[in-house]
Amino acid sequence: EAGVAQSPRYKIIEKRQSVAFWCNPISGHATLYWYQQILGQGPKLLIQFQNNGVVDDSQLPKDRFSAERLKGVDSTLKIQPAKLEDSAVYLCASSLDWASNSEAFFGQGTRLTVV
Amino acid sequence: AQSVSQHNHHVILSEAASLELGCNYSYGGTVNLFWYVQYPGQHLQLLLKYFSGDPLVKGIKGFEAEFIKSKFSFNLRKPSVQWSDTAEYFCAVWRGSARQLTFGSGTQLTVLP
Repeated sequence: EAGVAQSPRYKIIEKRQSVAFWCNPISGHATLYWYQQILGQGPKLLIQFQNNGVVDDSQLPKDRFSAERLKGVDSTLKIQPAKLEDSAVYLCASSLDWASNSEAFFGQGTRLTVV
Repeated sequence: AQSVSQHNHHVILSEAASLELGCNYSYGGTVNLFWYVQYPGQHLQLLLKYFSGDPLVKGIKGFEAEFIKSKFSFNLRKPSVQWSDTAEYFCAVWRGSARQLTFGSGTQLTVLP
């Protein structure tokens, strides 16, 4: 089966610029996650969708980060304006259902460098 | 305090040595436990998982983990590591109450040939 697809793989931007990341989850997976992984740390959950509804965005810096999942499939994560501390790998993951015990499958991630 | 703790930041072993990586969590209630691995340049992959039943679970590539509920621990083990096991290992806990998957900070394993 096809895995979780993310693009772009790499992005370099200047601070105060905006950037968007795209994720296509595994077909049929209702739950989609965006994680931020700063170098040397474990992935930190930013936002979690169930179909096209947000179930948890408590750790999303909403003053600059936004995410949507139109039609309950693909998702985009946007940062506007970016700060130096946003440099990280942004991981998208999907699972069958948030209420079950299903495992999360991860994409390759987008490595963002803010200069 | 971190909710999922991995005690070793970096472990260096020689081939054929035995491995044990620690993972502790601080949640009560229903949890599911995972170990993910990230090989250099690759995405996170599931190594093994525990949902219920036998607390000793076996995963891919000879890895196993033991869930000790009284100690809130889920340590990863392998009797004899190979150079190809060089990777970063992440413990993760899914909390039933929050329906959320939380990761530890990771352990970088380097296996010397």
